[in-house]
Amino acid sequence: QSVLTQPPSASGTPGQRVTISCSGTSSNIGSNTVNWYQQPPGTAPQLLIYSNDHRPSGVPDRFSGSKSVTSASLAISGLQSEDEADYYCAAWDDSLNGPVFGTGTKVTVL
Amino acid sequence: EVHLVESGGGLVQPGGSLRLSCAASEFTFSSHWMHWVRQTPGKGLVWVSRINGDGSGTNYADSVKGRFTIFRDNAKNTMYLQMNSLRAEDTAVYYCARGMEWLLDTFDIWGQGTMVTVSA
Repeated sequence: QSVLTQPPSASGTPGQRVTISCSGTSSNIGSNTVNWYQQPPGTAPQLLIYSNDHRPSGVPDRFSGSKSVTSASLAISGLQSEDEADYYCAAWDDSLNGPVFGTGTKVTVL
Repeated sequence: EVHLVESGGGLVQPGGSLRLSCAASEFTFSSHWMHWVRQTPGKGLVWVSRINGDGSGTNYADSVKGRFTIFRDNAKNTMYLQMNSLRAEDTAVYYCARGMEWLLDTFDIWGQGTMVTVSA
C-alpha cells in the first residue's frame, strides 16, 4: 500500500530535463525528510537522493531533489539512456510508524 | 565491496512458513539498523520490518505483525525474517536493506532480492 503519490510515467529525449513529483501528507513528507530510489529494469533499488537533496557518492549531479511542505520533486537534467528506470520517493510516516514509499514513476528515454 | 545477499525464498503453500536470510559483508554489521522491504511483481515497494543494531528493538508493518519475526545474529553478520501463516498476498520479492548509520530509515545498500511465492 503506497501512501505517497507519484505520476505513473515520465519521458524525455536525451539531454532534456525531466521532473517527477511526490505528494504526501503532514504525517510523512510534511514532517520528515524525503529519499529517492532508482530501480533499473530487473535490478534492486538503489539510493539516489537522501535527506531531500543530498546525493550519495557516485550519483551524478544531474540528479537533484527538493521538498516543499508536503511534496517533493526529483529532477533529472541532461537525460541519458541509462536513466531509464523506475523511481520511488520515500519518507517516514509518523502515523504508520514506518517508512512509506511512493507509487513509483517509470522514466522512459525517447 | 559492501554486500548483502538474501536467500531462503521459494514456493510455499498458504498457511506455511519460510525463513529468509540476509548475509552481510564488508561493513560493521552491528552498527546498522537493518530492514526488509518487499515488492509485488510489477508493483511498488513496501516496507516490512526493521531491527536495530543489537537486535533489541524491532518494528513491523501492520500487514505482517504477529506473523513475521525479524532477528539477527551479529556474530554471523546475518539477519533473518521468519515468516509464518503465509498468505497469497505475501507473494513478493523480498529485499534486505541497510539503514545508514545516522539516517536509520534511509536504505543505502540493498540485496539482490529473493522471491517468495505463496500458492497452493
